[in-house]
Amino acid sequence: ETGVTQSPTHLIKTRGQQVTLRCSSQSGHNTVSWYQQALGQGPQFIFQYYREEENGRGNFPPRFSGLQFPNYSSELNVNALELDDSALYLCASSFPSGSSYEQYFGPGTRLTVT
Amino acid sequence: AQSVTQLDSQVPVFEEAPVELRCNYSSSVSVYLFWYVQYPNQGLQLLLKYLSGSTLVKGINGFEAEFNKSQTSFHLRKPSVHISDTAEYFCAVSETNTGNQFYFGTGTSLTVIP
Repeated sequence: ETGVTQSPTHLIKTRGQQVTLRCSSQSGHNTVSWYQQALGQGPQFIFQYYREEENGRGNFPPRFSGLQFPNYSSELNVNALELDDSALYLCASSFPSGSSYEQYFGPGTRLTVT
Repeated sequence: AQSVTQLDSQVPVFEEAPVELRCNYSSSVSVYLFWYVQYPNQGLQLLLKYLSGSTLVKGINGFEAEFNKSQTSFHLRKPSVHISDTAEYFCAVSETNTGNQFYFGTGTSLTVIP
């Protein structure tokens, strides 16, 4: 069973640029959630995708957008990067059946905005 | 809206001593409760979860947690810690009616001293 994978592992961008982060969900999982973890903080929910549709969004501006593909992999896009966007971006996959609601996290992408 | 408070940002403890990491939450609806562990430069790994039933939940690596509804707490305990338990620990909640958005605390850094 393949776990959640994310790419790239590290990324350095300049303020104002755009970035795309990628996530492959665990085998059999149809739901992907994205989180932003600033240094020294807990993860903050950005949004979730279920069967290619957005299924909940946290308190993040519209320049944070996403996609989910038919194979359930996902992308997080951030436009007009700001210095405060520097963080670890975590992807989590799940299969909301029964009462599990367990999310399996990938290793994250470390984004640095200069 | 839910919020999670982890009362201790740093907890140093000697090897083989017991430890308790505290977590309190506030919510207007029923919640599921989780503890995750994060090792340096890695994603989050699920330690244990409370969905329903017995309020004492046992997880991996010898950890357990007790759900106390009246005190809205979900404290994590281990009777004897090892050096390898040194990591960041996060408490999280999600609503039972949706389960799609996890709210995390700010984390507790556990350092096990030889």
